[in-house]
Amino acid sequence: GDSVTQMEGPVTLSEEAFLTINCTYTATGYPSLFWYVQYPGEGLQLLLKATKADDKGSNKGFEATYRKETTSFHLEKGSVQVSDSAVYFCEGQGFSFIFGKGTRLLVKP
Amino acid sequence: DTAVSQTPKYLVTQMGNDKSIKCEQNLGHDTMYWYKQDSKKFLKIMFSYNNKELIINETVPNRFSPKSPDKAHLNLHINSLELGDSAVYFCASSQGGGGVHNSPLHFGNGTRLTVT
Repeated sequence: GDSVTQMEGPVTLSEEAFLTINCTYTATGYPSLFWYVQYPGEGLQLLLKATKADDKGSNKGFEATYRKETTSFHLEKGSVQVSDSAVYFCEGQGFSFIFGKGTRLLVKP
Repeated sequence: DTAVSQTPKYLVTQMGNDKSIKCEQNLGHDTMYWYKQDSKKFLKIMFSYNNKELIINETVPNRFSPKSPDKAHLNLHINSLELGDSAVYFCASSQGGGGVHNSPLHFGNGTRLTVT
């Protein structure tokens, strides 16, 4: 069946460090892919998306590229801030909705 | 103006009770969902409604019953609550629905249910 696999956290970085959170998918066909961010006590918010191969989603300094050849959609940010501390979810949508298990990011000053 | 709002934010109740969680969206979306998030942050879809019709019904105990009076509302009623039902329940909505999905989900802020 369809699945989305995210790297396990927590990921702990110092401020201004480079961030990568890995996400790979297994699906029939090519799902649309999304990254969401969840701050404490809140619901998930859309961070960025890509609906077809080679699309790059970007928002608030975060980027992810839909790579068909590696079935991946890794989230990156060049310089993280303390305010980026949150849980990040990768999601695939095709004929079903599949979320990864979430990756907690902690950024220290 | 909140896009997806759910009430209550916190719900503490005893085993065996019946409770409801309400959800409303003002985005004009066709599809609404209920998700359960456990203590490890794992998200699992429970139900999905498109224009008031049930389209996704995952393996969920039949103590859980969704009700959609119109396409802007999707309520969740839970009978005979059990300790294992303790979790955060999220309502969400999206445009489109049925067939292939490719629209982002818009989430409410969650209802933290604690069963004692």
